[in-house]
Amino acid sequence: KAGVTQTPRYLIKTRGQQVTLSCSPISGHRSVSWYQQTPGQGLQFLFEYFSETQRNKGNFPGRFSGRQFSNSRSEMNVSTLELGDSALYLCASSLPGDNEQFFGPGTRLTVL
Amino acid sequence: DQQVKQNSPSLSVQEGRISILNCDYTNSMFDYFLWYKKYPAEGPTFLISISSIKDKNEDGRFTVFLNKSAKHLSLHIVPSQPGDSAVYFCAASVGIQGAQKLVFGQGTRLTINP
Repeated sequence: KAGVTQTPRYLIKTRGQQVTLSCSPISGHRSVSWYQQTPGQGLQFLFEYFSETQRNKGNFPGRFSGRQFSNSRSEMNVSTLELGDSALYLCASSLPGDNEQFFGPGTRLTVL
Repeated sequence: DQQVKQNSPSLSVQEGRISILNCDYTNSMFDYFLWYKKYPAEGPTFLISISSIKDKNEDGRFTVFLNKSAKHLSLHIVPSQPGDSAVYFCAASVGIQGAQKLVFGQGTRLTINP
């Protein structure tokens, strides 16, 4: 069974630009969560989607948004990038009602 | 407001000895706890979990202990092996509804010395 895949793996952007990251969950997993990992803050929850609906949201500004498609694939978008958005963005998928999340390798975003 | 805290950023243990990683939490609503292991350039990998109705869960070399009154959990690895060198995160959730919204600690880098 293929794991969670994330594209691209690495990305370099400049301040003010926007970026879209993609996540393909494990087949059959309908819940997709996104996390931001930074050295100072650790892993922080961004949002979770289930059946194309945002079910949970973390404490991030509105510049961070996401969506989920009917095939459970998910994208997250960050607009008006700031230097502090440089981080590893991780996507995780899980089965409904299952506490165990399976993480992808992440997308390393660098904002210059 | 750090609801899950791992106060030791790093830990060094000799191969064959016991590794003990600690985690504290402040939110009494948390009722499910997990440990994840992370290698560089990879996503976190699930290791072991424990529900608040238990105080201990074992899986091979890994044991997690939960002390609800102290709001403290620990992960014991016995015996430690070089391949255990990684960053370990503890995480917590509130019920099944919160299962996909994990609150993570900041991680502890474990180094196993041969």
